[in-house]
Formats: sequence, C-alpha cells, structure tokens
Amino acid sequence: NAGVIQTPRHKVTGKGQEATLWCEPISGHSAVFWYRQTIVQGLEFLTYFRNQAPIDDSGMPKERFSAQMPNQSHSTLKIQSTQPQDSAVYLCASSLRRVTEVFFGKGTRLTVV
Amino acid sequence: GQQVKQSSPSLTVQEGGISILNCDYENDMFDYFAWYKKYPDNSPTLLISVRSNVDKREDGRLTVFLNKSGKHFSLHITASQPEDTAVYLCAAGAPSGGSNYKLTFGKGTLLTVTP
Repeated sequence: NAGVIQTPRHKVTGKGQEATLWCEPISGHSAVFWYRQTIVQGLEFLTYFRNQAPIDDSGMPKERFSAQMPNQSHSTLKIQSTQPQDSAVYLCASSLRRVTEVFFGKGTRLTVV
Repeated sequence: GQQVKQSSPSLTVQEGGISILNCDYENDMFDYFAWYKKYPDNSPTLLISVRSNVDKREDGRLTVFLNKSGKHFSLHITASQPEDTAVYLCAAGAPSGGSNYKLTFGKGTLLTVTP
C-alpha cells in the first residue's frame, strides 16, 4: 500500500498560469478530500468526492479553482490564472466509506511567482 | 470565525513529563474529534479519535478527553519523549453528504520535548 500519492511534490508557476495537481487515493477508498495548508490559515478544507461524485465543495474559492475525479484512481485540482496568494501546500486525503480516519498524501507545494 | 481553535501555538515539556494539548470548537454539529501528528514531510497522521458519545479514550501513552458542554477536547501524552516533538493538529468533524466526515482542523501546536 503506497498510501495517497500526490504529484508533483513541488510546482513553481508564474502568475497567471494554470496549475494542475494530481492525487491518487488509496485503492478501495471511496472518499477523496482536498485541503490547502498555509501558515496563516492552517489546514483548510476545499472539497470532497465520494464514489467520484462531488459531495461538498464549500471550501473551494468560487473563481479559478476546480476539482474533478474522472475515475476512482485519481482526482485533480486545477487552479486557473494562479495568483501569489494561491501559494500553499495542497493536501489530498482519502478514506473508506463509513470510516472517519482520513489518510493524507505528502502534499504538493505550489509556489506562484 | 475559526471553528476549531488551538490557542497555544507552542508547548515545551521536559522528557518524562505530561504534555497537554488543548482544542476548542464552536460547531454543535461536530460529533467526531481527533488528534493528528504532523510530520516534516507535511503528512498529518491520525493519532487518536473519539466520537461524541464518549468523554475519554486511552491508547497507550495517549488519552483524549472530551468536554462537550465546554466545547473543548484535549490530548494528554504521558511519559513524553523527544520523538514526540512535532506539530499536533486537532480536528473536529461532522457528517457531510452521508457517511463521510468533513474535518475542520486547528492551526496546530508545536510540541517540543526536551531531554
């Protein structure tokens, strides 16, 4: 079990460019979560999928951010027209149905310059 | 406002002592409470958790105490060791869209255990 896999581990993007972050959940886990971690805000919930369907995106910024889960083995978080304030560590996590423990990936550190 | 709050950003404890980490929450809908340990590679890992129907749970050197009326929970680490040095995140959860829980995290407390 390789755990939750996130790629890339580090990404540097220029202001205004698009960034796509990838997550491969643990095999068999039906729920996938995205969080954003900054020094100021800590760990913030962004969105979550269950069985590939979007369930709760209440933490997603309304503009420029989108998430998808096209199949059970991966999810993507896309940020359009990146801004310096988008710089953060983006964490993906997965969990089994009816189980509250979530397992986190190692995160993608996004730096917008 | 911040729904889950860790008021102490840091705590230093001597080796062998008891580390007490505190967390306050606001949302009455939270019924799951957990403590995560955050490693330098940025992966929080679950240490221990409780549901709202219990007020205490022990697991080895770790004990979680839940005070629902005070909207407060804490993590006690007995016989603290230098390897316990890490950032500890508290989290509270409520069901979201069915069986899975959406977790809200505190900003973390850096625990340093000195030899």
